[in-house]
Amino acid sequence: QSALTQPASVSGSPGQSITISCTATSSDVGSYDPVSWYQQHPGKAPKLMIYEGTKRPSGVSNRFSASKSGNTASLTISGLQAEDEADYYCCSGTTTFVLFGGGTKVTVL
Amino acid sequence: QMQLQESGPGLLKPSETLSLTCTVSGDSIHNTNYYWGWIRQPPGKGLEWIGCIYYRAITYYSPPLKSRVTISVDTSKNQFSLKLNSVTAADTAVYFCVRHTLSGGKFNWLDPWGQGTLVTVAS
Repeated sequence: QSALTQPASVSGSPGQSITISCTATSSDVGSYDPVSWYQQHPGKAPKLMIYEGTKRPSGVSNRFSASKSGNTASLTISGLQAEDEADYYCCSGTTTFVLFGGGTKVTVL
Repeated sequence: QMQLQESGPGLLKPSETLSLTCTVSGDSIHNTNYYWGWIRQPPGKGLEWIGCIYYRAITYYSPPLKSRVTISVDTSKNQFSLKLNSVTAADTAVYFCVRHTLSGGKFNWLDPWGQGTLVTVAS
């Protein structure tokens, strides 16, 4: 069984940095690379925040960055702002399917 | 600017077939760089990939849903469609259509997304 595991919730105060992890667990971890990240506000469609592991689409704040170490990808939000409060999903694809992490609720305290 | 728009019935009874269409504007569904697919999200839960299609009708489906799902493409209308048969309450969800970009032969990122449409299954 393949899975991308994320923490259920992460919180931080305005101005702080937080990191969301996404760990691939499967017999073929190498297939889950690269990872993309999506932000979803309540009632809205997900928005692409990071693609090809570390790249930001045009218009996405440079406060969002991503990295990977071993089988764990991470999304870091620097200078946390109220508008960053949302659900975040990691995602990766193979040649035949797409897999999402369970999602992480980010709360700005 | 490229946009995707879902359309279809919002209320179904158990055992019926869910049918949704996604209309693509601002890009051609013939674009060889992309697949076109469906994601769903049950109320209060996470995202679930359903499947996708290439303009040449090559399809890939999520294994748990594969027996009930059909995705088709109508290149003349720049649309693609989702059919999910024998629905139950567990299929109640917001359904999104989304463009899939491949890189290195793998499904890489999903963008843009349609706004989503809520489909409720209830007797």
